[in-house]
Amino acid sequence: QVQLQESGPGLVKPSQSLSLMCSVSGASISSANFYWSWVRQHPGGGLEWIGYISFRGTTYYNPSLKSRVSISRNESKNQFSLTLNAVAAADSAVYYCARLQVVDSTSYGMDVWGQGTTVTVSS
Amino acid sequence: DLQLTQSPSFLSASVGDRVTITCRASQGIGSHVTWYQQKPGTAPKRLIYLASTLQNGVPSRFSGSGSGTEFTLTINNLQPEDFATYYCQQPNNHPRIAFGGGTKVEIK
Repeated sequence: QVQLQESGPGLVKPSQSLSLMCSVSGASISSANFYWSWVRQHPGGGLEWIGYISFRGTTYYNPSLKSRVSISRNESKNQFSLTLNAVAAADSAVYYCARLQVVDSTSYGMDVWGQGTTVTVSS
Repeated sequence: DLQLTQSPSFLSASVGDRVTITCRASQGIGSHVTWYQQKPGTAPKRLIYLASTLQNGVPSRFSGSGSGTEFTLTINNLQPEDFATYYCQQPNNHPRIAFGGGTKVEIK
């Protein structure tokens, strides 16, 4: 059974960097056909895709966040991480990590999600 | 930039009803739509992918259809556990993975 678990600080000061980790069990982040994603949800709001890192290590980001976002991975620990720089109150949200299933350039959506972690940006 | 517009954003229904949620894309996206269900305080759950393929374990009262720019999620014989928020998604990154705004299904 594949499980994802987010971890990281729940409170970040404005202008600082937000760093979250997603630990994966039951599957390897280097396995073909999976892209490891971050999605956020503002309070009472909808879902926003942040970006992902592929099984090859290639990254893709939401253009609206691209200048502030970085996603990396640690294959030996089977983890991937999110860094969001220069945060503001508008970055307060629940952050989810999720597995995106892609086969032969066809995406099947996100089949496994972490439980989510709440991040508040406040001084 | 691709936009996904869901309608309605809110609907009130009774147990046993049939409900239909629409997702319209601003440009053609073939059959590349995924539907999710989200209950309060929990992560989204994939229900349907490639517009009409039911995720293993999802009840058959859920169905999806459509292609191109218009897609629908239908729930037949609405059950108490189906009251939730539903999202459509275009899961290919051209240039970004897009979600619809969501449809909240509440008990009448």
